Amino acid sequence: GAGVSQSPRYKVAKRGQDVALRCDPISGHVSLFWYQQALGQGPEFLTYFQNEAQLDKSGLPSDRFFAERPEGSVSTLKIQRTQQEDSAVYLCASSSQGWGNEKLFFGSGTQLSVL
Amino acid sequence: DAKTTQPNSMESNEEEPVHLPCNHSTISGTDYIHWYRQLPSQGPEYVIHGLTSNVNNRMASLAIAEDRKSSTLILHRATLRDAAVYYCILSDTLHGSSNTGKLIFGQGTTLQVKP
Repeated sequence: GAGVSQSPRYKVAKRGQDVALRCDPISGHVSLFWYQQALGQGPEFLTYFQNEAQLDKSGLPSDRFFAERPEGSVSTLKIQRTQQEDSAVYLCASSSQGWGNEKLFFGSGTQLSVL
Repeated sequence: DAKTTQPNSMESNEEEPVHLPCNHSTISGTDYIHWYRQLPSQGPEYVIHGLTSNVNNRMASLAIAEDRKSSTLILHRATLRDAAVYYCILSDTLHGSSNTGKLIFGQGTTLQVKP
């Protein structure tokens, strides 16, 4: 497909486990964003990549959260030692260049439940 | 980032027009006005965006006030599939290292469409 793909669609983790969430952006898109969306809330920005460079990680809530995009395409969001408050939908988005007048294309998200 | 204010919820009847308001009194001259919507269990979807002039596309129209301190998203004939959360967002178009195209979401307006 031509859209943003995220996997897995659902993830259940026990408290303290590490998880890895994958994002396949639209081919050729330079910019990639991760968002966290708690139930009933709007998406909250986590981090931004331009190609392989992580230019903004101001939204990462703690040092347990780590994101990478080593080859400038696929990205992985890793959460170490998961806590119950990490339960949310994690959304990935990409855009062609990343300018403020471009549209973002979102994936369907990964729903993470930490028990 | 400039903030927007939207009503928490609105109702509409099917096949009638819907006007979704957004206030952005602190908008700067380079901020674009974006609208996204989020259907249940999906990621946000681009609807429309504009800078100063009114905009039309196949999904909706965007009416921007002359002073740019408010805007209105217009769905010309609401269908049941338009029931979603609608987000009004500002993004800075200034070029430079701080312009990433990231979007800062608020709470949005939940639109209910009655048959």
